[in-house]
Amino acid sequence: AQKVTQAQTEISVVEKEDVTLDCVYETRDTTYYLFWYKQPPSGELVFLIRRNSFDEQNEISGRYSWNFQKSTSSFNFTITASQVVDSAVYFCALTPRMDSSYKLIFGSGTRLLVRP
Amino acid sequence: NAGVTQTPKFRVLKTGQSMTLLCAQDMNHEYMYWYRQDPGMGLRLIHYSVGEGTTAKGEVPDGYNVSRLKKQNFLLGLESAAPSQTSVYFCASSLDGQFSNQPQHFGDGTRLSIL
Repeated sequence: AQKVTQAQTEISVVEKEDVTLDCVYETRDTTYYLFWYKQPPSGELVFLIRRNSFDEQNEISGRYSWNFQKSTSSFNFTITASQVVDSAVYFCALTPRMDSSYKLIFGSGTRLLVRP
Repeated sequence: NAGVTQTPKFRVLKTGQSMTLLCAQDMNHEYMYWYRQDPGMGLRLIHYSVGEGTTAKGEVPDGYNVSRLKKQNFLLGLESAAPSQTSVYFCASSLDGQFSNQPQHFGDGTRLSIL
């Protein structure tokens, strides 16, 4: 089965708190890509990061960081010192190499609310 | 750069009516996709195209048809709209499927309500 699970439906934090969004995936393929997208209240989908299955190095981009662990099939996303503008729905997604459509398989999303 | 443009942005239909959603991209991308987003379910693939003149079914194709007559355009048609098709529709495109450095680029979405 090809599947992405985001068990946290909604998270609420106070501004400046750190928050981690969990993502667990399932795939039969040994080669795949993982993604995170942000959907702010305005509704558009904003690409945040792409990671291939051969690169397990963690990545940091400003206040954002990603922890990819193949051993636990997880690709978690941490926001450090959260801000109100981080309030959005965040989607984790998977593209298996064996699927010729290269479609994105999305998780159900985690709604993050950052309160001032 | 316009990127991926979807028209219309909003539409209300009555059950049984037909309509076409247009997706246009100006990035010379080969692959194009139509997804639908429903509450609590993330995005699901309806149809996709790997190049001009090609289309293929995705995860939830029933009730929809698509056409890719020109490389830059990908049309999604509802022949006889049903309330179950009330959703937000997203079009996306990517340079190719071969794990290029380009992720899928999304349009801003079309909010469709079927009464």
